[in-house]
Amino acid sequence: SAVISQKPSRDICQRGTSLTIQCQVDSQVTMMFWYRQQPGQSLTLIATANQGSEATYESGFVIDKFPISRPNLTFSTLTVSNMSPEDSSIYLCSVQRGMNTEAFFGQGTRLTVV
Amino acid sequence: QQPVQSPQAVILREGEDAVINCSSSKALYSVHWYRQKHGEAPVFLMILLKGGEQKGHEKISASFNEKKQQSSLYLTASQLSYSGTYFCGTDDNTDKLIFGTGTRLQVFP
Repeated sequence: SAVISQKPSRDICQRGTSLTIQCQVDSQVTMMFWYRQQPGQSLTLIATANQGSEATYESGFVIDKFPISRPNLTFSTLTVSNMSPEDSSIYLCSVQRGMNTEAFFGQGTRLTVV
Repeated sequence: QQPVQSPQAVILREGEDAVINCSSSKALYSVHWYRQKHGEAPVFLMILLKGGEQKGHEKISASFNEKKQQSSLYLTASQLSYSGTYFCGTDDNTDKLIFGTGTRLQVFP
């Protein structure tokens, strides 16, 4: 199993500002991902956080808007930059120990941009 | 492309059965199933691998048709605790999970 601590759990931010979300895992994991989930919707993959190299972004997501760091095998951050109300969502950190293993999720960060 | 799940929503009485389907346009290497309750993180239910291996929940079963790129989750003798939104997650051998559109299940006494 994996225990994930994600911070903050929620925040209300002004448009134009940035928020950094932290994801801390209780043990080393090779695979770490960031998802976004709009209310009542499915999870959309933002990017794969790669340790020691640039994150791999999915179509529709760019590094300038969602910079990601992964300095080691237990920690990652996602920054939501220059926020607008459209960025209001739940952001989830997820880890897996291998591709054919279960995914574990953080409790999510509920972001509201006003 | 996002896998499509059907039905979008299901309402059951306790003890009834349900089937949730997941269909992808891509060749799949594995299919995961998760349940998410309101305000909580998704929780793992099962993995089905190409070739027939399954790992997961003892009380929930599933199938994976590799040729049709489809998977089905079978919920039998449903309990109130089964309520939630079910997501399939598909891997097309690109080392990442793409989640389906979701199926909302409500079980009433």
